[in-house]
Amino acid sequence: AQSVTQLDSQVPVFEEAPVELRCNYSSSVSVYLFWYVQYPNQGLQLLLKYLSGSTLVKGINGFEAEFNKSQTSFHLRKPSVHISDTAEYFCAVRRNTGGFKTIFGAGTRLFVKA
Amino acid sequence: SAVISQKPSRDICQRGTSLTIQCQVDSQVTMMFWYRQQPGQSLTLIATANQGSEATYESGFVIDKFPISRPNLTFSTLTVSNMSPEDSSIYLCSVVSGGAVEQYFGPGTRLTVT
Repeated sequence: AQSVTQLDSQVPVFEEAPVELRCNYSSSVSVYLFWYVQYPNQGLQLLLKYLSGSTLVKGINGFEAEFNKSQTSFHLRKPSVHISDTAEYFCAVRRNTGGFKTIFGAGTRLFVKA
Repeated sequence: SAVISQKPSRDICQRGTSLTIQCQVDSQVTMMFWYRQQPGQSLTLIATANQGSEATYESGFVIDKFPISRPNLTFSTLTVSNMSPEDSSIYLCSVVSGGAVEQYFGPGTRLTVT
C-alpha cells in the first residue's frame, strides 16, 4: 500500500519570498506522484506530475517539484510567491500499474502575506 | 483535460433526508470517482463509479448509504442517504480521461446537514 505524508500543515510566507512544501511518500512499488492545488471554494487543480524520466518537474504557475527516490520525497517549490498562491496544496501518489486509486496527503495550507 | 460540472454546488439539508449529487463531464471518460473531503481534511475515496454496473466501494463506505449510478461514460450521481451532521462535507467528482494518468476534479458540492 502507498501512503503520503505532508510534513507541514501550514506554511506562512511573505510575498515574493521562496517557498518549499514538503512531501514524503511510502510505497513498495513504483509510483506516479502529483501535486494538486485547491483554491477556496473550488475543486482540485493539477499543478504537476512525475511519471518517469527527469526528476525535476515543472508545472503551472511557476511551481516545480523534484522527485528524490532515495529519500522518497517529492517537494514542491516556487522561487517567488504571490498573494494569489494562497491555497491548500495536496501531494498525491498512485502506483504505476494495476489501478487508478490515488492516495492524497493531508494537505499544506500556504498563506502568503503582503 | 475534461471539463466537469457538479450540481448542486452547495446545499443545506435536514437530518434524515437524502441528497443526490450529479456529475457531468463534457467528454467520455475512462474512470469516474467520488471523494469526500471533510472540513479541514484531505480527500477520501468513497467509490469508483462503474458504467453499467455496481460501483466499487472503499472500506468504510456502503451502497445503502452512498448509492451511485453511472448510466453512461459522461454522467454519474452520488446519493447521500439518511443524512446526519457527520455527513457535512465537500463531495467531489473526479475523472480519468483517455490514456491520462492524472485525475481531474469537479468544483465540488458543499453539503451541510442540520
